[in-house]
Amino acid sequence: DTAVSQTPKYLVTQMGNDKSIKCEQNLGHDTMYWYKQDSKKFLKIMFSYNNKELIINETVPNRFSPKSPDKAHLNLHINSLELGDSAVYFCASSRSQKEGTEAFFGQGTRLTVV
Amino acid sequence: GDSVTQMEGPVTLSEEAFLTINCTYTATGYPSLFWYVQYPGEGLQLLLKATKADDKGSNKGFEATYRKETTSFHLEKGSVQVSDSAVYFCALSLYNFNKFYFGSGTKLNVKP
Repeated sequence: DTAVSQTPKYLVTQMGNDKSIKCEQNLGHDTMYWYKQDSKKFLKIMFSYNNKELIINETVPNRFSPKSPDKAHLNLHINSLELGDSAVYFCASSRSQKEGTEAFFGQGTRLTVV
Repeated sequence: GDSVTQMEGPVTLSEEAFLTINCTYTATGYPSLFWYVQYPGEGLQLLLKATKADDKGSNKGFEATYRKETTSFHLEKGSVQVSDSAVYFCALSLYNFNKFYFGSGTKLNVKP
């Protein structure tokens, strides 16, 4: 059973399009995240949700809109895609921040904007 | 602010060599510390963790000790294998902050 699953794994699209990435976790966690990994492997947090509520929005452009319909799901919708959005996007989850709790990551979605 | 700094790579070693990847952190509170590993085309997997000063995390022959006095959490392995080739990330989290801070990653290449 995959703990954190995201779809699709690969996404190639043209500039200006709108696309969504879906994420689901079956670990019973109440905190979920979106991270962006650039071509140099640097990981930057985009959003953090706790019990379906947005907790962290790290100055991400308004074109990115996360949605959490329930604690097990956190989707990411991106409007008007730009070349600079090309990256690998990782979904992750964890229990509410208790000491030592780790994050579990999905396999990533490689987004290529052409 | 809170941050993690780790040595730049790539690090290239021969099989059975000793590995050290340095990691230092800055944190306003008392963080938990982690090492994650990312194999090509995959997500991050937890390698080991430590939650308080002087704790030693270990897994698969890798070890790291939480050193509060030097704010460090260096990753070590006595004898690397080709299968250890991956990108290694040092990370911290702070209680109740709903956020993990990652270092920039260190790519390890192990040659036969």
